[in-house]
Amino acid sequence: DTGVSQNPRHKITKRGQNVTFRCDPISEHNRLYWYRQTLGQGPEFLTYFQNEAQLEKSRLLSDRFSAERPKGSFSTLEIQRTEQGDSAMYLCASSPTARGGGEKLFFGSGTQLSVL
Amino acid sequence: ELKVEQNPLFLSMQEGKNYTIYCNYSTTSDRLYWYRQDPGKSLESLFVLLSNGAVKQEGRLMASLDTKARLSTLHITAAVHDLSATYFCAGDTGTYKYIFGTGTRLKVLA
Repeated sequence: DTGVSQNPRHKITKRGQNVTFRCDPISEHNRLYWYRQTLGQGPEFLTYFQNEAQLEKSRLLSDRFSAERPKGSFSTLEIQRTEQGDSAMYLCASSPTARGGGEKLFFGSGTQLSVL
Repeated sequence: ELKVEQNPLFLSMQEGKNYTIYCNYSTTSDRLYWYRQDPGKSLESLFVLLSNGAVKQEGRLMASLDTKARLSTLHITAAVHDLSATYFCAGDTGTYKYIFGTGTRLKVLA
């Protein structure tokens, strides 16, 4: 299967701990996105990469959040000193670069984070 | 900053009926996207609307875009139970950053 893969599917952690999530995009896609979704809400933009360059980061994102995409392949999202408010589904998506724009996003199944 | 609003937020409809979901956005966005999310699942792309007046249809769903009114609609024709899901629209800020609405939770009753 060549879809977007996210690991782990579920993560339970205690407040104050650090967590890291991984996303493997579709191989030929050069854009990679991270979104956060809470129950009953739409996905909230966190950040995105074009190849290895992080092009934009949400102003709502605190400095406890950091994302990397070394060599423009997989990406990791790290949350330091987790808080209960960080509990959410973290979604990764990738897209190709289409001439003229209008690329749709291909989403992974997400990582559900629960902070106790 | 682009804001995207959908209405209604919840929609319960009978099988066989027609209905429309509305998506308004706050600033210029030449492209508009519709996604579907089933409970416990991730999002799946439905439509990509690239220009003013664009109309796309797939089965019982039809999406349209009016960039002058900053409005997109998702029309459901003769609803069936399988269409029960949450539908999201998303606008493009022009920098490949996609902003999603809060979603419309659709329940089709037999």
